[in-house]
Amino acid sequence: DAKTTQPPSMDCAEGRAANLPCNHSTISGNEYVYWYRQIHSQGPQYIIHGLKNNETNEMASLIITEDRKSSTLILPHATLRDTAVYYCIVRVANNNAGNMLTFGGGTRLMVKP
Amino acid sequence: DVKVTQSSRYLVKRTGEKVFLECVQDMDHENMFWYRQDPGLGLRLIYFSYDVKMKEKGDIPEGYSVSREKKERFSLILESASTNQTSMYLCASSSPGLEVLAGPDDYNEQFFGPGTRLTVL
Repeated sequence: DAKTTQPPSMDCAEGRAANLPCNHSTISGNEYVYWYRQIHSQGPQYIIHGLKNNETNEMASLIITEDRKSSTLILPHATLRDTAVYYCIVRVANNNAGNMLTFGGGTRLMVKP
Repeated sequence: DVKVTQSSRYLVKRTGEKVFLECVQDMDHENMFWYRQDPGLGLRLIYFSYDVKMKEKGDIPEGYSVSREKKERFSLILESASTNQTSMYLCASSSPGLEVLAGPDDYNEQFFGPGTRLTVL
């Protein structure tokens, strides 16, 4: 399984873009990059995923480097409700059980007024 | 719209007790998962199930067992609870597994329940 490395914590001012980096230098060619977040006292929530192209949805943008060894999750206008732990995960393909997810420590994002 | 529910948000048990944690999903998902979450360790997979009556060990199955008698329900069992099993337990479900060269829309998002915070005294 490809491992991921994220900074343990980051701060961001409310209204500004939050850029959360993730290193996954041992990623395989058929593995996707997923981002989840976990708000305090709740279960993790899916945000976005990608293989090699940049992706955008209503929550965030995902920028993956050309060599796929790192990626950045961008929250374009962070709000206080975006304060959470953000997990970068590389999908482990498993034909029997779908996408098992291996969670690391994540980045604790604190959005400040 | 509730998708994955867990039987309790908070639970306190004594050492040696048998503990059942229940998880129910209403999305007709084949796959269900049990994780535990501890400070500094992230989420760790205990067991998962890809079909009724099927189960597979995750990374830390010791001290736990599971039961999947119905598609919508996945139970985690602590046969004899110990203090080192004090943790947050999270259940998740997802649609079926894919071949490794799946299309871009088949991302099998995992839906998580709210978690059960178990304290073993």
